[in-house]
Amino acid sequence: AQKVTQAQTEISVVEKEDVTLDCVYETRDTTYYLFWYKQPPSGELVFLIRRNSFDEQNEISGRYSWNFQKSTSSFNFTITASQVVDSAVYFCALSDRGNTPLVFGKGTRLSVIA
Amino acid sequence: DADVTQTPRNRITKTGKRIMLECSQTKGHDRMYWYRQDPGLGLRLIYYSFDVKDINKGEISDGYSVSRQAQAKFSLSLESAIPNQTALYFCATSVGIAYNEQFFGPGTRLTVL
Repeated sequence: AQKVTQAQTEISVVEKEDVTLDCVYETRDTTYYLFWYKQPPSGELVFLIRRNSFDEQNEISGRYSWNFQKSTSSFNFTITASQVVDSAVYFCALSDRGNTPLVFGKGTRLSVIA
Repeated sequence: DADVTQTPRNRITKTGKRIMLECSQTKGHDRMYWYRQDPGLGLRLIYYSFDVKDINKGEISDGYSVSRQAQAKFSLSLESAIPNQTALYFCATSVGIAYNEQFFGPGTRLTVL
């Protein structure tokens, strides 16, 4: 069965600090896809990244970076030099073989304080 | 115009009433989904449909039903609403290929009194 665990319920940081959001997943499949979504205070869900199980390269997009480690079944998300606009709930999600609905973690609420 | 729309955006209703939430998409995607979001519980799948003739139950389908009227429309019904169905409901779509990125509507906030 698929499962996504985001152990950090809430994180609070001061602006310009770096912050890492943890995501641990469980699946029996060798082919799967991992996602991160952002939900700002306005409520919509914004896609951030997709990673397939065969690509363990880390990815960087501006201040955002993602560390995928199959050995620990983790797909962690780091925000460098956080800003107030990064305040949101962040969800990690998993799809087996890319052919099943996404299974979401419970989310991590990030508050960035000016 | 938004690619995935949900109506209504907000709804307050009373226990026992029948409620329908509607979702329409202009993305041409074949797959559609309904999720509910509760504080601290993340998004949980209610129902999903991979094409017009396909309906599947998700993790929490009890108390809900759906209708896929067309490729672009997927409705969620609460036959007899109860207070613990108060939540934020999201519709999502995706294409039927491997990487299955889902695109979400803006959400419907439902309150059952």
